[in-house]
Amino acid sequence: DSGVTQTPKHLITATGQRVTLRCSPRSGDLSVYWYQQSLDQGLQFLIQYYNGEERAKGNILERFSAQQFPDLHSELNLSSLELGDSALYFCASSVAGGPREQYFGPGTRLTVT
Amino acid sequence: GESVGLHLPTLSVQEGDNSIINCAYSNSASDYFIWYKQESGKGPQFIIDIRSNMDKRQGQRVTVLLNKTVKHLSLQIAATQPGDSAVYFCAVGGDSNSGYALNFGKGTSLLVTP
Repeated sequence: DSGVTQTPKHLITATGQRVTLRCSPRSGDLSVYWYQQSLDQGLQFLIQYYNGEERAKGNILERFSAQQFPDLHSELNLSSLELGDSALYFCASSVAGGPREQYFGPGTRLTVT
Repeated sequence: GESVGLHLPTLSVQEGDNSIINCAYSNSASDYFIWYKQESGKGPQFIIDIRSNMDKRQGQRVTVLLNKTVKHLSLQIAATQPGDSAVYFCAVGGDSNSGYALNFGKGTSLLVTP
């Protein structure tokens, strides 16, 4: 158990819908990263927050957004969902914003039908 | 951007043998490298990391070797056990512009046979 929690574990929704994925980092970790894992693209970085502020963006679509709250939990919002958004979404946390090990949650499996 | 590749998508070893999983990266300025293990239905699990000022680091039954000259990274697992069966990813740490996000390779699936 990494100490990172994610909900829900599974999510099935229709195209065009909007969903919210939730992540709670390990106790004491200030940095939260979101990654998408798909069969064809592998694990790809989406966005990072550090102590409530957006720090960096990766391959995140404009239809996707995220935020980190004062209690450090984070939410990833996916809107206007397409079939191609079906993937595993992982959140990872790290104690600091620098190059350190990241601890991954169990992921949310999103299926768009 | 950084390109991270694995030499073999699958590797089959016998229980008790040593396993070596390889990885190549493209950016000579990369400073941080990390290995993860991912079992089916679970998130990536941290195994071991290494910084560019080192060429070898050992953990429990695992060793990571870094060859900066040829931009190559390897993970060695000693006395491989059935519980080691999983997909192994190498990742390279980005710079401050990327928030130090990790760039992952495609992964090597390790199968341990009895």
